Amino acid sequence: AQTVTQSQPEMSVQEAETVTLSCTYDTSESDYYLFWYKQPPSRQMILVIRQEAYKQQNATENRFSVNFQKAAKSFSLKISDSQLGDAAMYFCAYALRDDKIIFGKGTRLHILP
Amino acid sequence: KAGVTQTPRYLIKTRGQQVTLSCSPISGHRSVSWYQQTPGQGLQFLFEYFSETQRNKGNFPGRFSGRQFSNSRSEMNVSTLELGDSALYLCASSLGAGGNNEQFFGPGTRLTVL
Repeated sequence: AQTVTQSQPEMSVQEAETVTLSCTYDTSESDYYLFWYKQPPSRQMILVIRQEAYKQQNATENRFSVNFQKAAKSFSLKISDSQLGDAAMYFCAYALRDDKIIFGKGTRLHILP
Repeated sequence: KAGVTQTPRYLIKTRGQQVTLSCSPISGHRSVSWYQQTPGQGLQFLFEYFSETQRNKGNFPGRFSGRQFSNSRSEMNVSTLELGDSALYLCASSLGAGGNNEQFFGPGTRLTVL
């Protein structure tokens, strides 16, 4: 069965600094999708970034980028120039095409002013 | 476009009762998925409906059921409530079926079972 593991329940970073959130997953499939979703306090969860496993190039969205290591089954999220609005719970997730999405347990990120 | 809406936002029930939660997807989205979020278990997938058909189902007992209407609105029902059913229930809509499509989440329904 596929699993998603986020080993850091909580992290803190100074404003304007860079932080990396870790995620590993277990699968025997070769074609799948990986995501990072952000859930701010009392606000709706939104997609941060999406990676298709067959694409070797790491996805990037403004200050957010991933380090996708397919062989190691690792999918970390790097946030550059951290801002107060980045404070949230971050969920790593995995899905096969047309199948359900599986979430990790989340990493709560605190931004220190 | 209006986002995903869920009603009610808060519910308090007692053990043994049943509850129905409602979700209205973004206009044009035909897929609606439901998730249970708890501090201990995180986000767990309940089921997905696409064009009124259940396509995927998570590992939840039969007390959890759902349906989707022709306008893509979805309802989730939990019968014989247990204390452990207390959670934030999130629904999400997407254009296509499957978790590989971007999920647009609603604000959730906070269910408390006493």
